[in-house]
Amino acid sequence: EAGVTQFPSHSVIEKGQTVTLRCDPISGHDNLYWYRRVMGKEIKFLLHFVKESKQDESGMPNNRFLAERTGGTYSTLKVQPAELEDSGVYFCASSPFPGTRDRGSYNEQFFGPGTRLTVL
Amino acid sequence: AQSVTQLDSHVSVSEGTPVLLRCNYSSSYSPSLFWYVQHPNKGLQLLLKYTSAATLVKGINGFEAEFKKSETSFHLTKPSAHMSDAAEYFCVVSDPTGGYQKVTFGTGTKLQVIP
Repeated sequence: EAGVTQFPSHSVIEKGQTVTLRCDPISGHDNLYWYRRVMGKEIKFLLHFVKESKQDESGMPNNRFLAERTGGTYSTLKVQPAELEDSGVYFCASSPFPGTRDRGSYNEQFFGPGTRLTVL
Repeated sequence: AQSVTQLDSHVSVSEGTPVLLRCNYSSSYSPSLFWYVQHPNKGLQLLLKYTSAATLVKGINGFEAEFKKSETSFHLTKPSAHMSDAAEYFCVVSDPTGGYQKVTFGTGTKLQVIP
């Protein structure tokens, strides 16, 4: 079974340009998450999709970031225009079941290898 | 609110010696806790998880962790380090707030294994 894939693996752009990151979750996974790790700091939550709907986007830094998940399959994260502080590694994760209030039923998140974004 | 503190950013051990990676957490609820590992150029892989069952949790590759509520700790251990254990390790706490599992990561601990 293929894991979570992300494209590109690396991206180097100049300040002010636009970049689009793509995530393909494991087939059949309803939940899709985006995370970011900036300059060796902790990995921070950006947003969560359940199928094509945004469940929680409280971690999105500002309106320069736009995430979509058309058809509930792959997702894109667009940064427009990119700023220097957007540099970091962007991780995507997916999990197989809808979110639940049952604290005992943690749904393991499967992570992709990340996209390393460098803004010059 | 929930948080995770990984007490060491770098740990260096000799091959064949024990590994201890420390993690303390803060949570408003009884949390679920996890350790993930990331090898270079790879995605994060789940090592083990605690979800209110046995407090001593065994994971893959010989790792285990013990949940100690009184100490709010979830330290990761392995009796004998192997070269392939060199990687970065993340302690993660999860609370079922907002109707789904929201996770918070620690800052990571880089494990170096010396031959």
